[in-house]
Amino acid sequence: DAGVIQSPRHEVTEMGQEVTLRCKPISGHNSLFWYRQTMMRGLELLIYFNNNVPIDDSGMPEDRFSAKMPNASFSTLKIQPSEPRDSAVYFCASSSLASGTLGEQFFGPGTRLTVL
Amino acid sequence: GNSVTQMEGPVTLSEEAFLTINCTYTATGYPSLFWYVQYPGEGLQLLLKATKADDKGSNKGFEATYRKETTSFHLEKGSVQVSDSAVYFCALNNNDMRFGAGTRLTVKP
Repeated sequence: DAGVIQSPRHEVTEMGQEVTLRCKPISGHNSLFWYRQTMMRGLELLIYFNNNVPIDDSGMPEDRFSAKMPNASFSTLKIQPSEPRDSAVYFCASSSLASGTLGEQFFGPGTRLTVL
Repeated sequence: GNSVTQMEGPVTLSEEAFLTINCTYTATGYPSLFWYVQYPGEGLQLLLKATKADDKGSNKGFEATYRKETTSFHLEKGSVQVSDSAVYFCALNNNDMRFGAGTRLTVKP
C-alpha cells in the first residue's frame, strides 16, 4: 500500500499567487481530511470529506481557501491569492468510515508551503 | 464537546530515562484513544491505540492505558532512546477526531 500521497512536497511561491495542493488517499478509504500545522497554532483541521462530500469546513480560515474532492481518489486544497501567513505544512489524511470511532487516520508526508 | 488536553512540552530527557506524557480527555460516550508520533519532516503516524476502558495499547516499548475513571490516556516508556525524539500527539475519536496540541520530546545521549 502506497499510503496517502501528497504533492508537491515543497512549494515556494510569492504573495498573491495561486497555490494548489494535491492529495491521493489510501485506496478504499472514504474519509479525507486536510490539516494545517504551524508552530504557533499547532495542528488545525481545515476541512473533511465523507464519500467525496464536504462535511465540515468550519476550519477553513477564509474565502481564499477552497477544497474539492471530485472523486474518491483525489482531492485538492487551493489558496488564492496566497499570503505570507499561509506559510505552513499542510497534511492530508484519510480513514475508513466503516471503522467508525475505532478507526485511525493515516497521514500523508505533508506539503511545506512558503509564501514570500 | 470532545477535546484532548496533553502535557505541554518541550520535554528533554537523557537516554534510558523513564518517560511519561500526560493526556486527559473530555467526551461523551465511549471514544477510542490514540497516540500519534511525528518525526522531523514527516507526517503523523499511529503509535498505539485503545478502543475501550482498561485496554492497554502498546508499541515499540511505549504503553498507554485507557482509564475511564480518570479520563486519561498517559503515554509511558521505561527507557527512552535518542531515536524516540519526536512530537507526540494524543487524540480521540468519538465520531469526530480531535488531536491534542502535541508534546515535543528530545532525548539526549
